[in-house]
Amino acid sequence: DGGITQSPKYLFRKEGQNVTLSCEQNLNHDAMYWYRQDPGQGLRLIYYSQIVNDFQKGDIAEGYSVSREKKESFPLTVTSAQKNPTAFYLCASSRGTGEGLYGYTFGSGTRLTVV
Amino acid sequence: QQPVQSPQAVILREGEDAVINCSSSKALYSVHWYRQKHGEAPVFLMILLKGGEQKGHEKISASFNEKKQQSSLYLTASQLSYSGTYFCGTVLLGGAQKLVFGQGTRLTINP
Repeated sequence: DGGITQSPKYLFRKEGQNVTLSCEQNLNHDAMYWYRQDPGQGLRLIYYSQIVNDFQKGDIAEGYSVSREKKESFPLTVTSAQKNPTAFYLCASSRGTGEGLYGYTFGSGTRLTVV
Repeated sequence: QQPVQSPQAVILREGEDAVINCSSSKALYSVHWYRQKHGEAPVFLMILLKGGEQKGHEKISASFNEKKQQSSLYLTASQLSYSGTYFCGTVLLGGAQKLVFGQGTRLTINP
């Protein structure tokens, strides 16, 4: 079955360390996204990519970095520059952007805790 | 520009109806609706495009009022399985091709 796989499900990081969250999809979707969700709040866009080797900053990109070397993969690195990284991170994909014509498929998320 | 959802929370008895609204201060091209259960990923429900359309999905339907830049999600004869947090996401007309989500509406259905 096609879908999005995020790993790990839970991640603990010490302050000052960088950490990379994995996101892989086998849906043949062109566009991929990273969102951050804090308790009781909505989803905020970190980065998005419409095609391989290209990505754009979202609303809260500071302290994060991404790469899109393969269509299937869109890893997110949370750097030590991110002041408050503890959150639930969701990866999503869609067939394209096309001004929001396509629904998003979400992965099951990674819960990151800084200790 | 984040859309505004109302109400923030709703508590219903099984079988009752609910309406969740999503408003934008800017012109929209499309509105998405998603449902998220606690600790899980959001699940796509439907998309509405500019032009003022209405869509249905089982007993869940939605409308998009282009003049008001507002979308409403209607849950009819609610079931226990409808519990969760509902998010609308909006794409601005002529803007960047990205989905911006509202803050969510928590729906609780009691037996």
